[in-house]
Amino acid sequence: AQSVTQLDSQVPVFEEAPVELRCNYSSSVSVYLFWYVQYPNQGLQLLLKYLSGSTLVKGINGFEAEFNKSQTSFHLRKPSVHISDTAEYFCAVRPQSSNTGKLIFGQGTTLQVKP
Amino acid sequence: EAQVTQNPRYLITVTGKKLTVTCSQNMNHEYMSWYRQDPGLGLRQIYYSMNVEVTDKGDVPEGYKVSRKEKRNFPLILESPSPNQTSLYFCASSSTGTEQFFGPGTRLTVL
Repeated sequence: AQSVTQLDSQVPVFEEAPVELRCNYSSSVSVYLFWYVQYPNQGLQLLLKYLSGSTLVKGINGFEAEFNKSQTSFHLRKPSVHISDTAEYFCAVRPQSSNTGKLIFGQGTTLQVKP
Repeated sequence: EAQVTQNPRYLITVTGKKLTVTCSQNMNHEYMSWYRQDPGLGLRQIYYSMNVEVTDKGDVPEGYKVSRKEKRNFPLILESPSPNQTSLYFCASSSTGTEQFFGPGTRLTVL
């Protein structure tokens, strides 16, 4: 079985400051990793994904994440946040061998960007 | 425009009154799923479908039914809703089972 832990439920940060949202996972098999963003009253939008290859993955809106297999982590970073980045962020994994398409989600991290 | 649509977006109902939430995708995707989102729990899969007439339970299927008679549609049925099914529901689809595309969500309140 797989599980995902997002280590912070809320992250307050000032505009133009850097931010890191932490995600650890547990799995006995290889997984694909994802970060999704949910803006208020909207559905989930894919920020970035790691399927294979380079462990540093760049996504939309200036976000990037680094896959660390030894630490089973996939932390999300942005060097300078904007007010518009205020949203809830979800880390998710999917076993590479799965044919169900099921994503296992973390609990979510609310990013609050203050002026 | 490629998209997943859900209807209704908001629904308030009473215990025991059957309801259906529709989901439709225009991307010719084989995989479709339903998730529910609850505070502090993230999203949990209710049911999924790998293709027409092929459906299976996810992690929290109790109290829900689905059907997949056409590739584009995957309705979620609550035969006898209860207050513990008050939640935010998302439909998702994908072609390979990796990247999933999500609908805008349906906020359901069961009184």
